[in-house]
Amino acid sequence: DAGVIQSPRHEVTEMGQEVTLRCKPISGHNSLFWYRQTMMRGLELLIYFNNNVPIDDSGMPEDRFSAKMPNASFSTLKIQPSEPRDSAVYFCASSSGQNNQPQHFGDGTRLSIL
Amino acid sequence: AQSVTQPDIHITVSEGASLELRCNYSYGATPYLFWYVQSPGQGLQLLLKYFSGDTLVQGIKGFEAEFKRSQSSFNLRKPSVHWSDAAEYFCAVGAARNYGGSQGNLIFGKGTKLSVKP
Repeated sequence: DAGVIQSPRHEVTEMGQEVTLRCKPISGHNSLFWYRQTMMRGLELLIYFNNNVPIDDSGMPEDRFSAKMPNASFSTLKIQPSEPRDSAVYFCASSSGQNNQPQHFGDGTRLSIL
Repeated sequence: AQSVTQPDIHITVSEGASLELRCNYSYGATPYLFWYVQSPGQGLQLLLKYFSGDTLVQGIKGFEAEFKRSQSSFNLRKPSVHWSDAAEYFCAVGAARNYGGSQGNLIFGKGTKLSVKP
């Protein structure tokens, strides 16, 4: 079975540019999560979708961040404009949406903003 | 609010030695508990989970964890550590609506980094 697929694996861009991160969840999973991981703050939940609808976006740092899930097999996380402090590893995870079911993580996108 | 505490930021053990990583959670009901491992440059991989039944749970890679309700703990153990176990380990609890969480969401601890000495 294919796991959660994220692209790109690495992104290096200049400050002020738009960045789009992509995620394909595991087929049949109806919940999708975007996380950010840094040394200083650890793993932070940014936003969570259930059946393509955003349920909890309280972790989105500011208006420069937006996320969409146009269908059950695709989600994007966009940063516009990007800033150096956005540099981090961004993970996407998916699950069946039940409390006793684990989340399955992608390999992440390592984002560097210069 | 729910929380997960991993008291040890970094642990070093010798190869072949036993390992115990601590995890404490705050939760009023029977929690759903998970341990994940993250190797450098990779995402989090599920090691094991607990949600009911036997309080000693077996996972992949020779790991096990024991749920102790009286201590609000879910410690991860391995009898003999291998060099390939060097990684960061995360404990997580399933969020509950009546604690302000969203069903399906996980509350993660800050992680414990494991180093293995040859």
